[in-house]
Amino acid sequence: DVKVTQSSRYLVKRTGEKVFLECVQDMDHENMFWYRQDPGLGLRLIYFSYDVKMKEKGDIPEGYSVSREKKERFSLILESASTNQTSMYLCASSANSYNEQFFGPGTRLTVL
Amino acid sequence: QKEVEQNSGPLSVPEGAIASLNCTYSDRGSQSFFWYRQYSGKSPELIMFIYSNGDKEDGRFTAQLNKASQYVSLLIRDSQPSDSATYLCAVRAGANNLFFGTGTRLTVIP
Repeated sequence: DVKVTQSSRYLVKRTGEKVFLECVQDMDHENMFWYRQDPGLGLRLIYFSYDVKMKEKGDIPEGYSVSREKKERFSLILESASTNQTSMYLCASSANSYNEQFFGPGTRLTVL
Repeated sequence: QKEVEQNSGPLSVPEGAIASLNCTYSDRGSQSFFWYRQYSGKSPELIMFIYSNGDKEDGRFTAQLNKASQYVSLLIRDSQPSDSATYLCAVRAGANNLFFGTGTRLTVIP
């Protein structure tokens, strides 16, 4: 079974703090993704990566950056957290560009 | 126009009935279609995928795809209370472009 893990289930941060969300997958998948999910807006893609050190912007990259130094790990960074970044953050991975995506358990981030 | 549209529901069906969940998409070039189930407070989990026109069955679940009408549906036969969840339709229009609908909330009444 594919396993995608995220570093925290719940996180509370203050406005202006730098926030790191970590994601690790154990199936040697090429592609990894970061989404946020908000009520009524569904899943929105922030960034994705199709190879180590490669990244592509998704639909809502503003205020975020990512890092993929190793194939199994994909990090999402909020350089200066703001209250409108309070959300559920979901990491996903897929074997290649055309396969299904498998999701981690999510991190519910609250920015005060 | 949104890429993927779903009725947000809630859709309520009695236990044992057939639940029908629908999804339309805007990009005619879409190639593959996925249904995810998401329980409250949990992450989405893949139920089924379909690539070709027609029906695809897996246990109590049937996915139906009609590319001419740009329509994909999920039927759940013999619905159980444990099927109560939000169902997300996802459509791939190109490499790495997976678009999600906002989901339909299903409640199965015992």
